[in-house]
Amino acid sequence: KNEVEQSPQNLTAQEGEFITINCSYSVGISALHWLQQHPGGGIVSLFMLSSGKKKHGRLIATINIQEKHSSLHITASHPRDSAVYICAVSLSYNTDKLIFGTGTRLQVFP
Amino acid sequence: DVKVTQSSRYLVKRTGEKVFLECVQDMDHENMFWYRQDPGLGLRLIYFSYDVKMKEKGDIPEGYSVSREKKERFSLILESASTNQTSMYLCASSFWATLEEQYFGPGTRLTVT
Repeated sequence: KNEVEQSPQNLTAQEGEFITINCSYSVGISALHWLQQHPGGGIVSLFMLSSGKKKHGRLIATINIQEKHSSLHITASHPRDSAVYICAVSLSYNTDKLIFGTGTRLQVFP
Repeated sequence: DVKVTQSSRYLVKRTGEKVFLECVQDMDHENMFWYRQDPGLGLRLIYFSYDVKMKEKGDIPEGYSVSREKKERFSLILESASTNQTSMYLCASSFWATLEEQYFGPGTRLTVT
Protein backbone atom coordinates (compact mmCIF):
# COMPACT_ATOMS: atom_id res chain seq x y z
CA LYS A 1 0.00 0.00 0.00
CA ASN A 2 1.34 3.42 -0.95
CA GLU A 3 1.99 5.82 1.89
CA VAL A 4 0.33 8.60 -0.12
CA GLU A 5 -2.86 7.76 -1.98
CA GLN A 6 -4.67 10.06 -4.37
CA SER A 7 -8.15 9.82 -5.81
CA PRO A 8 -9.38 9.81 -8.41
CA GLN A 9 -6.57 8.77 -10.75
CA ASN A 10 -8.30 10.37 -13.72
CA LEU A 11 -10.89 13.10 -13.80
CA THR A 12 -12.73 14.78 -16.63
CA ALA A 13 -14.87 17.85 -16.21
CA GLN A 14 -16.78 20.44 -18.19
CA GLU A 15 -15.58 24.01 -18.07
CA GLY A 16 -17.00 25.79 -15.05
CA GLU A 17 -17.39 22.71 -12.85
CA PHE A 18 -16.15 22.55 -9.28
CA ILE A 19 -13.40 19.97 -8.94
CA THR A 20 -12.10 18.10 -5.91
CA ILE A 21 -8.99 15.94 -5.77
CA ASN A 22 -8.29 13.96 -2.61
CA CYS A 23 -5.09 12.86 -0.91
CA SER A 24 -4.74 10.50 2.05
CA TYR A 25 -1.50 9.59 3.77
CA SER A 26 -0.47 7.07 6.38
CA VAL A 27 2.79 8.53 7.74
CA GLY A 28 3.65 11.33 10.13
CA ILE A 29 4.18 14.50 8.18
CA SER A 30 5.47 17.99 8.74
CA ALA A 31 3.81 19.41 5.62
CA LEU A 32 1.78 18.46 2.59
CA HIS A 33 2.39 19.80 -0.90
CA TRP A 34 0.16 20.09 -3.92
CA LEU A 35 2.02 20.21 -7.22
CA GLN A 36 0.82 20.80 -10.77
CA GLN A 37 2.48 19.17 -13.75
CA HIS A 38 1.62 20.35 -17.23
CA PRO A 39 2.13 18.32 -20.41
CA GLY A 40 5.85 18.47 -21.18
CA GLY A 41 6.81 17.66 -17.61
CA GLY A 42 7.50 20.88 -15.73
CA ILE A 43 6.24 20.86 -12.14
CA VAL A 44 4.97 23.88 -10.27
CA SER A 45 4.40 23.95 -6.55
CA LEU A 46 0.85 25.16 -5.83
CA PHE A 47 0.60 24.90 -2.08
CA MET A 48 2.52 23.81 0.95
CA LEU A 49 0.39 23.47 4.07
CA SER A 50 0.69 21.97 7.51
CA SER A 51 -2.74 22.91 8.86
CA GLY A 52 -6.02 24.50 7.91
CA LYS A 53 -6.67 25.95 4.50
CA LYS A 54 -4.95 28.02 1.84
CA LYS A 55 -6.43 29.80 -1.15
CA HIS A 56 -4.79 31.10 -4.28
CA GLY A 57 -7.11 32.42 -6.95
CA ARG A 58 -9.48 29.63 -7.95
CA LEU A 59 -7.47 27.01 -6.07
CA ILE A 60 -8.17 26.00 -2.48
CA ALA A 61 -6.25 23.42 -0.47
CA THR A 62 -7.35 22.03 2.87
CA ILE A 63 -5.75 19.60 5.27
CA ASN A 64 -7.12 17.64 8.22
CA ILE A 65 -4.14 16.44 10.25
CA GLN A 66 -6.22 14.19 12.52
CA GLU A 67 -7.79 12.39 9.57
CA LYS A 68 -4.55 12.45 7.53
CA HIS A 69 -6.39 13.82 4.54
CA SER A 70 -6.09 16.77 2.20
CA SER A 71 -8.22 18.06 -0.64
CA LEU A 72 -7.44 20.32 -3.57
CA HIS A 73 -10.43 22.19 -4.96
CA ILE A 74 -10.65 24.09 -8.23
CA THR A 75 -13.57 26.46 -8.60
CA ALA A 76 -14.92 27.49 -12.01
CA SER A 77 -12.59 25.09 -13.80
CA HIS A 78 -11.06 26.05 -17.14
CA PRO A 79 -9.38 24.01 -19.90
CA ARG A 80 -6.05 25.52 -18.92
CA ASP A 81 -6.42 23.74 -15.56
CA SER A 82 -5.88 20.47 -17.43
CA ALA A 83 -2.78 18.92 -15.89
CA VAL A 84 -1.62 16.24 -13.51
CA TYR A 85 -2.03 17.22 -9.87
CA ILE A 86 0.34 15.56 -7.44
CA CYS A 87 0.11 15.34 -3.68
CA ALA A 88 3.35 14.95 -1.73
CA VAL A 89 4.19 14.88 1.97
CA SER A 90 7.29 15.92 3.89
CA LEU A 91 8.08 13.30 6.51
CA SER A 92 8.02 14.52 10.10
CA TYR A 93 11.42 12.96 10.85
CA ASN A 94 13.10 14.05 7.61
CA THR A 95 11.61 17.24 6.32
CA ASP A 96 13.81 17.31 3.25
CA LYS A 97 12.39 14.08 1.88
CA LEU A 98 9.11 14.00 0.02
CA ILE A 99 6.87 11.03 -0.63
CA PHE A 100 4.69 11.48 -3.68
CA GLY A 101 1.28 10.24 -4.69
CA THR A 102 0.88 8.89 -8.20
CA GLY A 103 -1.03 11.93 -9.38
CA THR A 104 -4.51 12.77 -10.66
CA ARG A 105 -4.86 13.51 -14.34
CA LEU A 106 -7.44 16.24 -14.86
CA GLN A 107 -8.93 17.14 -18.24
CA VAL A 108 -11.31 20.07 -18.46
CA PHE A 109 -13.29 20.32 -21.69
CA PRO A 110 -14.78 23.53 -23.07
CA ASP B 1 12.04 34.20 -10.09
CA VAL B 2 13.47 30.92 -8.93
CA LYS B 3 15.13 29.11 -11.74
CA VAL B 4 15.97 25.45 -11.85
CA THR B 5 17.21 24.44 -15.26
CA GLN B 6 18.08 21.06 -16.70
CA SER B 7 20.53 20.55 -19.50
CA SER B 8 18.19 18.76 -21.91
CA ARG B 9 14.42 18.38 -22.34
CA TYR B 10 14.72 15.25 -24.45
CA LEU B 11 17.57 12.76 -24.69
CA VAL B 12 17.96 9.50 -26.58
CA LYS B 13 20.85 7.21 -25.67
CA ARG B 14 21.91 3.68 -26.45
CA THR B 15 22.19 0.85 -23.96
CA GLY B 16 25.58 0.88 -22.27
CA GLU B 17 26.28 4.57 -22.88
CA LYS B 18 27.32 6.84 -20.03
CA VAL B 19 24.73 9.57 -19.55
CA PHE B 20 25.06 12.88 -17.75
CA LEU B 21 22.02 14.88 -16.70
CA GLU B 22 22.79 18.31 -15.33
CA CYS B 23 20.76 20.57 -13.11
CA VAL B 24 21.51 24.17 -12.20
CA GLN B 25 19.70 26.40 -9.70
CA ASP B 26 20.21 30.10 -9.18
CA MET B 27 18.70 30.52 -5.72
CA ASP B 28 21.70 29.55 -3.58
CA HIS B 29 19.73 26.55 -2.30
CA GLU B 30 21.51 24.10 -0.02
CA ASN B 31 19.48 21.05 -1.03
CA MET B 32 19.19 19.54 -4.46
CA PHE B 33 17.32 16.42 -5.55
CA TRP B 34 17.04 14.05 -8.47
CA TYR B 35 13.77 12.18 -9.07
CA ARG B 36 12.48 9.90 -11.72
CA GLN B 37 8.83 9.78 -12.66
CA ASP B 38 7.13 6.75 -14.15
CA PRO B 39 3.44 6.15 -14.90
CA GLY B 40 1.63 4.58 -11.97
CA LEU B 41 4.62 5.03 -9.66
CA GLY B 42 4.73 8.77 -9.16
CA LEU B 43 7.99 10.52 -8.41
CA ARG B 44 10.70 8.53 -6.71
CA LEU B 45 13.82 10.00 -5.16
CA ILE B 46 17.10 8.78 -6.64
CA TYR B 47 19.67 10.87 -4.75
CA PHE B 48 19.81 14.15 -2.92
CA SER B 49 22.55 16.48 -1.79
CA TYR B 50 22.44 18.83 1.18
CA ASP B 51 25.75 20.54 0.54
CA VAL B 52 28.64 20.67 -1.88
CA LYS B 53 30.29 17.26 -2.18
CA MET B 54 27.65 15.75 0.11
CA LYS B 55 25.13 13.23 -1.14
CA GLU B 56 22.68 10.71 0.20
CA LYS B 57 20.90 7.85 -1.45
CA GLY B 58 17.21 8.14 -2.03
CA ASP B 59 14.75 5.33 -2.60
CA ILE B 60 16.12 3.99 -5.90
CA PRO B 61 19.85 4.80 -6.22
CA GLU B 62 20.86 1.61 -8.01
CA GLY B 63 22.36 2.25 -11.42
CA TYR B 64 22.89 5.95 -10.71
CA SER B 65 25.54 8.18 -9.21
CA VAL B 66 25.64 11.92 -8.58
CA SER B 67 28.12 14.74 -8.36
CA ARG B 68 27.92 18.09 -6.61
CA GLU B 69 31.14 20.02 -7.03
CA LYS B 70 29.51 23.44 -6.91
CA LYS B 71 26.54 24.58 -4.87
CA GLU B 72 24.44 25.54 -7.87
CA ARG B 73 25.01 22.38 -9.93
CA PHE B 74 23.90 18.79 -9.30
CA SER B 75 24.62 16.11 -11.88
CA LEU B 76 23.00 12.71 -12.25
CA ILE B 77 25.13 10.07 -13.92
CA LEU B 78 24.02 6.82 -15.49
CA GLU B 79 27.27 4.87 -15.72
CA SER B 80 25.89 2.34 -18.20
CA ALA B 81 22.41 3.20 -19.37
CA SER B 82 19.83 0.45 -19.55
CA THR B 83 16.37 0.36 -21.10
CA ASN B 84 14.70 0.27 -17.68
CA GLN B 85 16.16 3.71 -17.05
CA THR B 86 13.93 5.17 -19.73
CA SER B 87 11.96 7.72 -17.74
CA MET B 88 11.28 11.36 -16.99
CA TYR B 89 13.99 12.79 -14.73
CA LEU B 90 13.22 15.80 -12.57
CA CYS B 91 15.63 17.91 -10.60
CA ALA B 92 14.55 20.04 -7.65
CA SER B 93 16.14 22.36 -5.12
CA SER B 94 15.19 23.86 -1.78
CA PHE B 95 16.60 25.98 1.02
CA TRP B 96 18.16 24.28 4.02
CA ALA B 97 15.43 25.46 6.38
CA THR B 98 12.64 23.03 7.15
CA LEU B 99 9.16 23.22 5.66
CA GLU B 100 10.54 24.82 2.57
CA GLU B 101 9.12 24.22 -0.87
CA GLN B 102 11.03 22.37 -3.46
CA TYR B 103 11.40 24.10 -6.80
CA PHE B 104 11.39 21.78 -9.78
CA GLY B 105 13.15 21.94 -13.11
CA PRO B 106 11.31 21.29 -16.38
CA GLY B 107 12.36 17.64 -16.57
CA THR B 108 14.42 15.56 -18.98
CA ARG B 109 12.71 12.77 -20.85
CA LEU B 110 15.36 10.12 -21.36
CA THR B 111 14.87 7.24 -23.76
CA VAL B 112 17.39 4.40 -23.73
CA THR B 113 17.22 2.17 -26.80
